Amino acid sequence: QKEVEQDPGPLSVPEGAIVSLNCTYSNSAFQYFMWYRQYSRKGPELLMYTYSSGNKEDGRFTAQVDKSSKYISLFIRDSQPSDSATYLCAMKIQGAQKLVFGQGTRLTINP
Amino acid sequence: EAEVAQSPRYKITEKSQAVAFWCDPISGHATLYWYRQILGQGPELLVQFQDESVVDDSQLPKDRFSAERLKGVDSTLKIQPAELGDSAMYLCASSLDGPLVYGYTFGSGTRLTVV
Repeated sequence: QKEVEQDPGPLSVPEGAIVSLNCTYSNSAFQYFMWYRQYSRKGPELLMYTYSSGNKEDGRFTAQVDKSSKYISLFIRDSQPSDSATYLCAMKIQGAQKLVFGQGTRLTINP
Repeated sequence: EAEVAQSPRYKITEKSQAVAFWCDPISGHATLYWYRQILGQGPELLVQFQDESVVDDSQLPKDRFSAERLKGVDSTLKIQPAELGDSAMYLCASSLDGPLVYGYTFGSGTRLTVV
């Protein structure tokens, strides 16, 4: 079993919809949680990061961490075609620099 | 905005040939990472450098892969001989020294196809 599990999709939604992307993990030592966005043929770019449990909002994006359930989510409101990409969750333990990634969810927003 | 530079962007090589990738991290970033991303999967760490020293190469297939960062700045990842299963995106990333509280910056990657 992988340390980080992510539904690979693909996920296709109409423009303007609310998108929910999720990851589960097994290592309770993970303390830092990130979401990366990766466009086709590009490297991943950091979208959001959170520490421990709680919510964080940045514009149309909201990241949630539920450590008790070992479950993290990324919500995208008012989705746009430009949001079409693969979304990767990543996490790490305190004091480490190695990131452990999920498989990535391929998202398409249809105009 | 500072970027991590990688070259080449694309590489096609025949099985059993040698191939090398180059990475120039963001200026001042002491830590450099090489990740491999197989199509449809998330990146996996191959090797991590702190300045010119290897910190973690536990997932690097050392029988065919080698990595160096001689002067603690740019880095080269080499595969010899290449195998069909090495076809993937090779990503370089860098970060500042010290506790990492957020993610690091990736380059655009080198997409390797072994035929």
